[in-house]
Amino acid sequence: AAGVIQSPRHLIKEKRETATLKCYPIPRHDTVYWYQQGPGQDPQFLISFYEKMQSDKGSIPDRFSAQQFSDYHSELNMSSLELGDSALYFCASSALGQALNEQFFGPGTRLTVL
Amino acid sequence: DAKTTQPNSMESNEEEPVHLPCNHSTISGTDYIHWYRQLPSQGPEYVIHGLTSNVNNRMASLAIAEDRKSSTLILHRATLRDAAVYYCILRVGGTYKYIFGTGTRLKVLA
Repeated sequence: AAGVIQSPRHLIKEKRETATLKCYPIPRHDTVYWYQQGPGQDPQFLISFYEKMQSDKGSIPDRFSAQQFSDYHSELNMSSLELGDSALYFCASSALGQALNEQFFGPGTRLTVL
Repeated sequence: DAKTTQPNSMESNEEEPVHLPCNHSTISGTDYIHWYRQLPSQGPEYVIHGLTSNVNNRMASLAIAEDRKSSTLILHRATLRDAAVYYCILRVGGTYKYIFGTGTRLKVLA
């Protein structure tokens, strides 16, 4: 079965650079979520989209922005990167009717900021 | 937003039941209780969820206190593959916002 695809899987950036993380949800899933998991930390909810519209925001820095496109894939844009942004970034998706139930997580993008 | 509190770690013997507790004393009436588990270097995996009533599925059971201030995830027969970090999560009512707790690292002994 198709799963959530995230790219790239690993990314190394310098401080003050920008990064773009991509997420391709499971086909026919209309809701996308982004999470940040720092080393040894718990996942922190960043932002979610439903039907290409932002639905909820969590602890997402102002330096980050995200959107969901017409094909339902989503991108997380991160600017002015800081050392503290080094983390595993997960994308998850769910389907209408399943939004209250099960999120399917991707394998994550490991971002390292040097 | 409400938050959850879980023990840092627990141990269980293989093929024995495991009860993983979670406190969520500040939960609101419309917040859903979800449980996910995470294996090393993988994304979290859905286990079960509920609102007020106890729930059962093929993976586990969820027992929710009558006042909803706590819940317990029950794995009926732990296997070595159940070793993971188990997160008790609140989905804020009426939103797509999920608040992860600190997680319980479950160790299963052969």
